[in-house]
Amino acid sequence: GAGVSQSPSNKVTEKGKDVELRCDPISGHTALYWYRQSLGQGLEFLIYFQGNSAPDKSGLPSDRFSAERTGGSVSTLTIQRTQQEDSAVYLCASSPTGDRVDTQYFGPGTRLTVL
Amino acid sequence: AQTVTQSQPEMSVQEAETVTLSCTYDTSENNYYLFWYKQPPSRQMILVIRQEAYKQQNATENRFSVNFQKAAKSFSLKISDSQLGDTAMYFCAFMAGGGAQKLVFGQGTRLTINP
Repeated sequence: GAGVSQSPSNKVTEKGKDVELRCDPISGHTALYWYRQSLGQGLEFLIYFQGNSAPDKSGLPSDRFSAERTGGSVSTLTIQRTQQEDSAVYLCASSPTGDRVDTQYFGPGTRLTVL
Repeated sequence: AQTVTQSQPEMSVQEAETVTLSCTYDTSENNYYLFWYKQPPSRQMILVIRQEAYKQQNATENRFSVNFQKAAKSFSLKISDSQLGDTAMYFCAFMAGGGAQKLVFGQGTRLTINP
């Protein structure tokens, strides 16, 4: 079946602009995660959604970052007033229910460049 | 908080050789999972192998196997009969048990397989 998809693949924006990054998880997966991969900080957790529970936002670096998950499927990560330090690859992952709930499957990422 | 340490930033071996990548972690949890992910230049994070901490038997997946030493908090990855396609960044990751949780990643090891 189809894997996790993310769009756009690459995004170049100017400092101060808002951006939206989209993630389509694997069909039927109830958990969805966002991570950020940058040269200086490595791979960092940002936020995750599990079913109808309140999301775990503990990794969001500032209040400029927010995420939504509509209808238990597609998720959008929004970065407001982008800064140069937001430049990174943003990775999305999803995991199934049951005994493999721990196994996360990743999308190809969105490379964000803030000029 | 959990931490994951990969002490080898880069490694290089000849095709068909065996190579071992090191990973140590720190946690007070008793129930958790450990993973190795591969990230080739395409940027796609690919699950290589998964280990459940309560299982003493080391996980194996074809040419990939782990040496899980729970008391020492060590989780190394062995790649046998290495192939050119194994060239990638390898990340060790930790997840606490109890359902969907965030992954905590190590800094990564860049592995190059030479012809």
